[in-house]
Amino acid sequence: GENVEQHPSTLSVQEGDSAVIKCTYSDSASNYFPWYKQELGKGPQLIIDIRSNVGEKKDQRIAVTLNKTAKHFSLHITETQPEDSAVYFCAEGNDYKLSFGAGTTVTVRA
Amino acid sequence: DGGITQSPKYLFRKEGQNVTLSCEQNLNHDAMYWYRQDPGQGLRLIYYSQIVNDFQKGDIAEGYSVSREKKESFPLTVTSAQKNPTAFYLCASSMVTSWAGELFFGEGSRLTVL
Repeated sequence: GENVEQHPSTLSVQEGDSAVIKCTYSDSASNYFPWYKQELGKGPQLIIDIRSNVGEKKDQRIAVTLNKTAKHFSLHITETQPEDSAVYFCAEGNDYKLSFGAGTTVTVRA
Repeated sequence: DGGITQSPKYLFRKEGQNVTLSCEQNLNHDAMYWYRQDPGQGLRLIYYSQIVNDFQKGDIAEGYSVSREKKESFPLTVTSAQKNPTAFYLCASSMVTSWAGELFFGEGSRLTVL
């Protein structure tokens, strides 16, 4: 999306290593930052989200960090497994709008 | 099981033809959305509806039309006016009408114009 930049566009990691995807945004009114995972042939599914009143949120092997001052947020996947291979989308918004990043294709090598 | 059902999964169309993509949800969600997904691009919003009999244009509404006659259904028509209709189309719904909430997506419909 025009409002949020996502990097990298592709990411290949060895099984067991960590993967990090970063998104930057420009709208200071944004206060909601979700991450979606899209497996091949499926629709995206929410995996984690964070709101601007916290700086970090963790759920098992995935975590999201938010730096509101610098206007960027990141998804961290630890101990990657083959089932983590998918396209990951970040998004940013508030009660009135939501914009998606272009996506990151993550491949976990066995 | 509750969810969103999109049909057909694959659709081929000749240039100049209108096609309608179906989206049905049994989650009792008020809000429904249509997104378009192209390779290397994010999800772009076509139309959304926050209540029955009302809908709003998204960022790329030109060449598309929708209706929301029932809470469960939000069909999308791709008209012949859409200049580049070949794409993957995703329907979604959400429990709340705020954008700051979880979107539940269907499995998508892939449209190819021959």
